[in-house]
Amino acid sequence: GAGVSQTPSNKVTEKGKYVELRCDPISGHTALYWYRQSLGQGPEFLIYFQGTGAADDSGLPNDRFFAVRPEGSVSTLKIQRTERGDSAVYLCASSLGSYNEQFFGPGTRLTVL
Amino acid sequence: LAKTTQPISMDSYEGQEVNITCSHNNIATNDYITWYQQFPSQGPRFIIQGYKTKVTNEVASLFIPADRKSSTLSLPRVSLSDTAVYYCLVVYSGNTGKLIFGQGTTLQVKP
Repeated sequence: GAGVSQTPSNKVTEKGKYVELRCDPISGHTALYWYRQSLGQGPEFLIYFQGTGAADDSGLPNDRFFAVRPEGSVSTLKIQRTERGDSAVYLCASSLGSYNEQFFGPGTRLTVL
Repeated sequence: LAKTTQPISMDSYEGQEVNITCSHNNIATNDYITWYQQFPSQGPRFIIQGYKTKVTNEVASLFIPADRKSSTLSLPRVSLSDTAVYYCLVVYSGNTGKLIFGQGTTLQVKP
């Protein structure tokens, strides 16, 4: 079956712009996670959804970052007023239940110029 | 402060067994330990998950001592294709379950 997909695969933007990153989880997976990964580092947790609600958003670095999952499937990570420090690979993962085996997408590489 | 720590790099040769240890001093009773493998330009891929003692699947074993402050991923008879970065992940429960990855161990398998 189809795995987790993320679009776009690459996004280049200018400092101060707004970006949206999309994640399509595996069908039937109720849990969805967003991470950020910088070069040479492990994935950094951002937010975890169980169904439509954000069960844990303690990893969001500041109020410029926001994520939604309105129908309990597709999720969008939104970043306002982007900064150069936001440049990273943004990973999405989904799982059948809370904190079970996570299936990761290929990531979106965000570059802020 | 919860932290997940693992060695930065390891070298091995084809056919050898490789053991990668992860430290997680603040792990709580109900926290699970999971290991992932990551190749360049790909998302991490699940290897194994465990809670205590020993877990084995078709690709790896996971050893967790009684105090659970560390865990060891064991890869039997590695091949060149096992060259990758290996991450330990612990879900730290508490007020919010926070997923903390280690910084990753780069395994280089040599012929």
